[in-house]
Amino acid sequence: GEDVEQSLFLSVREGDSSVINCTYTDSSSTYLYWYKQEPGAGLQLLTYIFSNMDMKQDQRLTVLLNKKDKHLSLRIADTQTGDSAIYFCAERGGLDSGYSTLTFGKGTMLLVSP
Amino acid sequence: NAGVTQTPKFRILKIGQSMTLQCTQDMNHNYMYWYRQDPGMGLKLIYYSVGAGITDKGEVPNGYNVSRSTTEDFPLRLELAAPSQTSVYFCASSPGGSSNQPQHFGDGTRLSIL
Repeated sequence: GEDVEQSLFLSVREGDSSVINCTYTDSSSTYLYWYKQEPGAGLQLLTYIFSNMDMKQDQRLTVLLNKKDKHLSLRIADTQTGDSAIYFCAERGGLDSGYSTLTFGKGTMLLVSP
Repeated sequence: NAGVTQTPKFRILKIGQSMTLQCTQDMNHNYMYWYRQDPGMGLKLIYYSVGAGITDKGEVPNGYNVSRSTTEDFPLRLELAAPSQTSVYFCASSPGGSSNQPQHFGDGTRLSIL
């Protein structure tokens, strides 16, 4: 089955850039997503990228996709303490499910210190 | 606009008890999902539904049942609660179809089984 891997923890200082990395195995992935989860809350969609794109920028967020290496990254510019949260990478696929389901990584905890 | 609403937010059950976790969405989404989130393990798909009257198993369906009698509601039932079912449960919905379908999440139900 599909697999999505992420590093578990990242610590940065306020004002620095953060880069969260993700690798996936499903070569039939069509869309890849980044979700943010704050303590005690559900998952909030941050951004997504279509698999035929290399890069997508949305304000402080930049998503880079290397489809050949099946590698996805999320860069947060000028990281703020309010960005501290768990970030989940997810891919849409499963050919078996008719592309109806998402496979999530285990999440990267981002800690931003003042 | 309420989005995805889950009830209850917290619940403690005794081993062997049963309960239903409620999920409703007001976005007229066809697709609905149930996940469980265990610490450090990301999200695992329990069941999903692509429309009223249609449900399919996800990665970890054992011990759970679902029904989808209306577009809005997708309840998850635990028949004989076991300690291994202690988790945070998230319901999500998406428009479905062939275009991009980001999932919208509820705030979760925190369930402890003692």
